[in-house]
Amino acid sequence: EIVLTQSPGTLSLSPGERATLSCRASQSVTSNYLAWYQQKPGQAPRLLIYGASSRATGFPDRFSGSGSGTDFTLTISRLEPEDFAVYYCQQYGSLPLTFGGGTKVEIK
Amino acid sequence: QVQLQESGPGLVKPSRTLSLTCSVSGGSISSGELYWNWIRQRPGKGLEWIGYISYSGTTYYNPSLKSLVTISRDTSKNQYSLKLSSVTAADTAVYYCARSYDSGGHFYGVFDYWGRGTRVTVSS
Repeated sequence: EIVLTQSPGTLSLSPGERATLSCRASQSVTSNYLAWYQQKPGQAPRLLIYGASSRATGFPDRFSGSGSGTDFTLTISRLEPEDFAVYYCQQYGSLPLTFGGGTKVEIK
Repeated sequence: QVQLQESGPGLVKPSRTLSLTCSVSGGSISSGELYWNWIRQRPGKGLEWIGYISYSGTTYYNPSLKSLVTISRDTSKNQYSLKLSSVTAADTAVYYCARSYDSGGHFYGVFDYWGRGTRVTVSS
């Protein structure tokens, strides 16, 4: 199975700053089938990015995804208060589907 | 608007079978090219995909749990279910049901709708 490693584990930033989250796969992700989810405390994850770079409904354009093969990035251009959460990457290019361990974006 | 809701016991004894149901509204589980999944999140851990049942009734289970898992459906109630046998404390988690879909004739494992999750504790 494909192992996804997210870094850093925690990102401490201030509102207005730029956040860059990394997701590295143990092998190439087929067709760049890589998604990102946002999870807030007590809530289910919410689909944020799919196909490595396509933004899901309801998320503003300050969120962007990039990357291919084994290296993917989620960027939040300017953090808003509601963006502080945990972010997970997930690959769906091969079975079993797997998730990364998550990056917590916290207020500095 | 599709909505999913998990239900089931919040406490299960070790070695017993965990049984959960996901009730789906706003769409039929047997129509369209949709897949109905179970995912869990153990305390302080990330997310683990358990498996799916498709719109046609086919199933796929994560090999890490395959021998212990059964996903089934009741189309008359628009529900699908998870059974996890021989549970241990390591199966304590929040269990989510979630929808994914077909793209170009194959399973596209992106989860676009989720239930709110149900917490299950395995303890005697």
